[in-house]
Amino acid sequence: NAGVTQTPKFRVLKTGQSMTLLCAQDMNHEYMYWYRQDPGMGLRLIHYSVGEGTTAKGEVPDGYNVSRLKKQNFLLGLESAAPSQTSVYFCASSTRRTGGSYGYTFGSGTRLTVV
Amino acid sequence: GQQVMQIPQYQHVQEGEDFTTYCNSSTTLSNIQWYKQRPGGHPVFLIQLVKSGEVKKQKRLTFQFGEAKKNSSLHITATQTTDVGTYFCAAPFTTSGTYKYIFGTGTRLKVLA
Repeated sequence: NAGVTQTPKFRVLKTGQSMTLLCAQDMNHEYMYWYRQDPGMGLRLIHYSVGEGTTAKGEVPDGYNVSRLKKQNFLLGLESAAPSQTSVYFCASSTRRTGGSYGYTFGSGTRLTVV
Repeated sequence: GQQVMQIPQYQHVQEGEDFTTYCNSSTTLSNIQWYKQRPGGHPVFLIQLVKSGEVKKQKRLTFQFGEAKKNSSLHITATQTTDVGTYFCAAPFTTSGTYKYIFGTGTRLKVLA
């Protein structure tokens, strides 16, 4: 099993450009999440989805949009990139069960630099 | 806001020394999870604690959940260079009936050989 796959792994954007980060999971998980990781800030939740066709805001949603048209895919969009969005982005997924003993499965991350 | 405080932020130890990281919440938690992230890698789930006062062990790692379910700790006995990385705790918070995990800021462990 591939688990959670993120593309691309690296990207450099100019301020104002747009892009979409792709996340795909093959574990039939209901829940999917997008986190960003910055030095000293830990992992902060951007948006999440509790099932196909649903999305919700996390801790730091401004400047991002998401879509979950298919259960296995969760897309994160930046409409007009800003230097403050330079970060490492992680996608994660989990089973529907709350408090399950399997935790979140994370992808390998996308390192995004906005210049 | 909903926060999980984790200390210390950094810890350098000599190989063979013990290491402990602590996670604290102002509210009672239904459970808590621990993750490890190797340098340049992604977080990997280690364990979940659910019961008050629960203690679980994984080889040299001991995880504890406080009696009041507001704090937790991860203790590593006799650290090895393979223990290097950042350890995160994560606690669930519910908004509009949806369960999502908020991560602590992590403790970065360096092990000196």
